[in-house]
Amino acid sequence: QVHLVESGGGVVQPGTSLRLSCAASGFTFTTNAMNWVRQAPGRGLEWLTVISNNGNYKYYADSVMGRFTVSRDNSKNTVYLQMNSLRSEDTAIYYCGRDRDSNSPEYIQNWGQGTLVTVSS
Amino acid sequence: SYELTQPPSVSVSPGRTARITCSGDELPNKYAYWYQKRTGQAPVLLIYEDTKRPSGIPERFSGSTSGTMATLTISGAQVDDEADYYCYSTDRSGNHGVFGTGTKVIV
Repeated sequence: QVHLVESGGGVVQPGTSLRLSCAASGFTFTTNAMNWVRQAPGRGLEWLTVISNNGNYKYYADSVMGRFTVSRDNSKNTVYLQMNSLRSEDTAIYYCGRDRDSNSPEYIQNWGQGTLVTVSS
Repeated sequence: SYELTQPPSVSVSPGRTARITCSGDELPNKYAYWYQKRTGQAPVLLIYEDTKRPSGIPERFSGSTSGTMATLTISGAQVDDEADYYCYSTDRSGNHGVFGTGTKVIV
């Protein structure tokens, strides 16, 4: 059974950094690309980024390009989201998701339960 | 950047049919997917590759496409179907995912 567990969320001040983790189990981690998606309070789902199965390809939404960096450690079955220069509008629940494809986004087959990030002074 | 447009809300009486549309210029060339999102829960995949239903998803959920529009149909809507629904696809490059603006279904 596929299991994705996000961690690392919390309350941080504007301008600071935070790193989220997503630990995966129940499937061959090196087979699938991994996505990050967020949902701000009262807002819709927003796709943020995807990293290919081997980490060679990374794509970002315009809203986070240059501030957020996705990475993965296949030896630990974990994907990360490094978030820098955080703003109040980054306040959201952050989900990781296992993609159907290996290289680029196709669709998210499995989701974690999410981790809450609150950016506030 | 690429956008997928949905109506903000759709109201339906129990047992009737609800249709949720998703409009996007690349939909003739890209698959559409549909997710159900309840507050406090992770999204659930309802439809993939325009029309296919994953195992475990009730038959009352179906998908279709025509030109630049994809449609999720809930036939015989139930009170339990009250939730937010999102279409999903990719942009022309295929390198960026995009969610629709979301539709709240009220039963």
